[in-house]
Amino acid sequence: SQTIHQWPATLVQPVGSPLSLECTVEGTSNPNLYWYRQAAGRGLQLLFYSVGIGQISSEVPQNLSASRPQDRQFILSSKKLLLSDSGFYLCAWGDTANYGYTFGSGTRLTVV
Amino acid sequence: DAKTTQPTSMDCAEGRAANLPCNHSTISGNEYVYWYRQIHSQGPQYIIHGLKNNETNEMASLIITEDRKSSTLILPHATLRDTAVYYCIVRVSGFNAGNMLTFGGGTRLMVKP
Repeated sequence: SQTIHQWPATLVQPVGSPLSLECTVEGTSNPNLYWYRQAAGRGLQLLFYSVGIGQISSEVPQNLSASRPQDRQFILSSKKLLLSDSGFYLCAWGDTANYGYTFGSGTRLTVV
Repeated sequence: DAKTTQPTSMDCAEGRAANLPCNHSTISGNEYVYWYRQIHSQGPQYIIHGLKNNETNEMASLIITEDRKSSTLILPHATLRDTAVYYCIVRVSGFNAGNMLTFGGGTRLMVKP
């Protein structure tokens, strides 16, 4: 069966520090992968999506970047975090069984 | 993708059916209706989707009107664990570059004992 892993679950980082969030998928090959962010009390915002290794599309300009070094690995990064980067970050993959999305458990990032 | 309109919040008594409405009057012929829910501090969870026929699975039933301009998600016997934000989304099937899953405000369902 397909599973999606995200870590860490929670993270507290100082302003100006770097960030690396990792997402991996098991049980599927060549998945479409997505990074979403949810600010406190707000809806989900699509940040990046990837249809294959090394292929990244950005939906909004921001302080973040994404990379896909392997087929089932998707990484969200920042060189210098801002306070506004705080939020709940979710990785998702496109489930061809129903053409819906399966989400990971998320990482709650607090920038202090 | 077509826009959807959902009530901001709803209450439901535990054990009763929860009926969550969604209006999507500008839906196109090739767009599906998807429902997700997000329990507090968790990622969204797929519930069900349909094109024109009513659908049922172990979680819920989806009733789509004949003109496809609205739909209702039915949780037949709501439990306290069904308290969540429910999102109704319309989109074409498949994973084309322009076919992203876009979340609106959703309906905050509160199941009360």
